[in-house]
Amino acid sequence: EDKVVQSPLSLVVHEGDTVTLNCSYEVTNFRSLLWYKQEKKAPTFLFMLTSSGIEKKSGRLSSILDKKELSSILNITATQTGDSAIYLCAANAGNMLTFGGGTRLMVKP
Amino acid sequence: DTAVSQTPKYLVTQMGNDKSIKCEQNLGHDTMYWYKQDSKKFLKIMFSYNNKELIINETVPNRFSPKSPDKAHLNLHINSLELGDSAVYFCASIPSGVTGELFFGEGSRLTVL
Repeated sequence: EDKVVQSPLSLVVHEGDTVTLNCSYEVTNFRSLLWYKQEKKAPTFLFMLTSSGIEKKSGRLSSILDKKELSSILNITATQTGDSAIYLCAANAGNMLTFGGGTRLMVKP
Repeated sequence: DTAVSQTPKYLVTQMGNDKSIKCEQNLGHDTMYWYKQDSKKFLKIMFSYNNKELIINETVPNRFSPKSPDKAHLNLHINSLELGDSAVYFCASIPSGVTGELFFGEGSRLTVL
């Protein structure tokens, strides 16, 4: 059965801190790894990773995939209160996304 | 302009009732999904349809019946609602043959009393 595991489950930091969120996956027919941010409503797309070792960056957020280790990390530098959310990682295997349980990030002022 | 829209956004009902949630996407995508997100925020796939045909049916009670009248619509009907059905149900879509992002609706929060 396909499985995606995220750690930590939750994280509380202060503004300005840097955080690293982890995602590991075991899926057959792996195609890509996606990161989403979920605040109050639907998950919003952050990154899609298909190749190992190539960092994707968007502002203070960056992510990288390690296909050998079957894992990915999401880094957020200089965190802000607006980064508080649940961060979801998902593995795409044949047009189906299997999600991890998410990491709940709280950024305190 | 909403790409994936679900109705209703909120639904409160009694145990034993039958209810439906509707989903429509105007993105021209071939594949649509229903995901269930429980109170711990775990998103779990329920069904997937490609061009009106069922392609994924995870272990879901047969009280849940999806219906796709055309490739732009995927509705979810739930019979004999139980307390454990309380969750947020997300509809999503993706173009066929694409390994990329799912486009999510805003979710339908179902509360069973």
